[in-house]
Amino acid sequence: AQSVTQLDSHVSVSEGTPVLLRCNYSSSYSPSLFWYVQHPNKGLQLLLKYTSAATLVKGINGFEAEFKKSETSFHLTKPSAHMSDAAEYFCVVSFYASGGSYIPTFGRGTSLIVHP
Amino acid sequence: DTAVSQTPKYLVTQMGNDKSIKCEQNLGHDTMYWYKQDSKKFLKIMFSYNNKELIINETVPNRFSPKSPDKAHLNLHINSLELGDSAVYFCASSPKPQRYLAGEGDTQYFGPGTRLTVL
Repeated sequence: AQSVTQLDSHVSVSEGTPVLLRCNYSSSYSPSLFWYVQHPNKGLQLLLKYTSAATLVKGINGFEAEFKKSETSFHLTKPSAHMSDAAEYFCVVSFYASGGSYIPTFGRGTSLIVHP
Repeated sequence: DTAVSQTPKYLVTQMGNDKSIKCEQNLGHDTMYWYKQDSKKFLKIMFSYNNKELIINETVPNRFSPKSPDKAHLNLHINSLELGDSAVYFCASSPKPQRYLAGEGDTQYFGPGTRLTVL
């Protein structure tokens, strides 16, 4: 079965400290991996994606994620948190299905709280 | 110009009513989706259409019926609304499947959401 697990429902950091949001997946195939961010009362915005090119992926707003196949992980990091980073973050794994379609599967989300 | 738009933004209605949510994308994408986000922020895919053809239909009550008049529009009609239907509904679109566009096919672009409240 294909699944996505975000290991922390909440992560709390101080402004200026590093951020680590963890995501693991299970899949029989090589999936596409994404991180999306959702600010309060807003839609979802793509932060970054991995599609079998470089294993270290750089995204917007200083975020990065590293794909580790041996660990089936795709953790999201940022060296220094900013107050504006406070939001809900979703790890998404997209499995290519027959017939040319994708089955996007969302993790349950991690709420990032940034303290001044 | 808004890439993926939804109307209405807010919808408050009584149990038992029938309502529709509209979605339009001007990105020229082939695939569109509907998601439901519950009160705990969990996002679950409901439907996906590729070039007007239904390709994903998750376990959703048949009171929910998607309609795609053309590939730029995917509307969601809900019959006999229930309290449990209260949620935020997101529309999204993505380009052609990956076999045509390597690496880009399944990036999704989301609309702003429609908050449905059933009283």
